[in-house]
Amino acid sequence: GAVVSQHPSWVICKSGTSVKIECRSLDFQATTMFWYRQFPKQSLMLMATSNEGSKATYEQGVEKDKFLINHASLTLSTLTVTSAHPEDSSFYICSATGPGNQPQHFGDGTRLSIL
Amino acid sequence: SQQGEEDPQALSIQEGENATMNCSYKTSINNLQWYRQNSGRGLVHLILIRSNEREKHSGRLRVTLDTSKKSSSLLITASRAADTASYFCAPGDSSYKLIFGSGTRLLVRP
Repeated sequence: GAVVSQHPSWVICKSGTSVKIECRSLDFQATTMFWYRQFPKQSLMLMATSNEGSKATYEQGVEKDKFLINHASLTLSTLTVTSAHPEDSSFYICSATGPGNQPQHFGDGTRLSIL
Repeated sequence: SQQGEEDPQALSIQEGENATMNCSYKTSINNLQWYRQNSGRGLVHLILIRSNEREKHSGRLRVTLDTSKKSSSLLITASRAADTASYFCAPGDSSYKLIFGSGTRLLVRP
């Protein structure tokens, strides 16, 4: 089946640091990738949708200057949390899908803790 | 895209029993997908049922779709402890975006 790799799986860093999370589709071309955020015992909240080679579309209330998304190739998207603060601590999950109305395939998530 | 609403919020059953969870949505769809999330992990795609299908099977999973009632159900037969997870439905349209609800937290007791 389709595999999506997300890295790192866990990161702890100091307040003010910028953190980059990578999402790779290993065995298919991901024309569209999605970034979600999940707080404990809550559902996934869609942050943004990115299509290869174009700017990401952010959901309402998500700061695009805070959460920089790059989708430069059909197999890689990155999310950079800039100048992270403790309130940015969360579980971030990416997913990827190919052309057509296909299922989304999810990475294993990144647990971000900002001290 | 629209959010599906799963019911019940939580379900606790004994190993070997069947588990049924339901999903309701508001407007017309192209398809509906079910996902599972184990604690601290990403989501795993379980099954996709198209709007012109009424029932679909995959191993111990059975999904039904009633577009007239705007509802779907996921049945897990002969449950196992490893089925313990949260289950989400996601109504799909042409936008590719999926909006997830709160899910059903399933606990299968050994």
